[in-house]
Amino acid sequence: ETGVTQTPRHLVMGMTNKKSLKCEQHLGHNAMYWYKQSAKKPLELMFVYSLEERVENNSVPSRFSPECPNSSHLFLHLHTLQPEDSALYLCASSQGQGRTEAFFGQGTRLTVV
Amino acid sequence: RKEVEQDPGPFNVPEGATVAFNCTYSNSASQSFFWYRQDCRKEPKLLMSVYSSGNEDGRFTAQLNRASQYISLLIRDSKLSDSATYLCVVSGGGFKTIFGAGTRLFVKA
Repeated sequence: ETGVTQTPRHLVMGMTNKKSLKCEQHLGHNAMYWYKQSAKKPLELMFVYSLEERVENNSVPSRFSPECPNSSHLFLHLHTLQPEDSALYLCASSQGQGRTEAFFGQGTRLTVV
Repeated sequence: RKEVEQDPGPFNVPEGATVAFNCTYSNSASQSFFWYRQDCRKEPKLLMSVYSSGNEDGRFTAQLNRASQYISLLIRDSKLSDSATYLCVVSGGGFKTIFGAGTRLFVKA
């Protein structure tokens, strides 16, 4: 079983809705990540938190808002999304910087209608 | 030029075949390299790290050529269970980790 859990696994939302994705890691890692995986495109790194501080924000639109209240939890708040935001959103965690293995959650498959 | 570029695939091979995946990266300052495997509708999982000296894990061999900025993964004696997408991953230090688009492998009986 993965040490990184994401909820919900599937989400359908309208363009005017507000929803949140949740990620929890049970591995004692100090870095957490949000990735977006669209069909036939590489994983795109969205945000990185290290020790609860955001250290990377890869030009992500403001309709995506991350929150990291502690080293074990990561949220992605969604509002006024567009249909092209439909994708698989993956959370990952690692110990230290990018030299170590990242463990992924099973993802939230998001559909914006 | 893409930061990490992989063979587009898909690769269709019979059981028992040897298959090689290639990956190039653009940032010469990259420090860490990995191969991940992603099964259909599942999350990526680490297959193996790639070291300058090359490394082997059973049927899998990974090579790194820093001068050419090239990484490879060789799978010998392919099994049906090897069918998946293989992702080349490059880390430039810090938390910036770049994934390739992946190469899909189909192993057929």
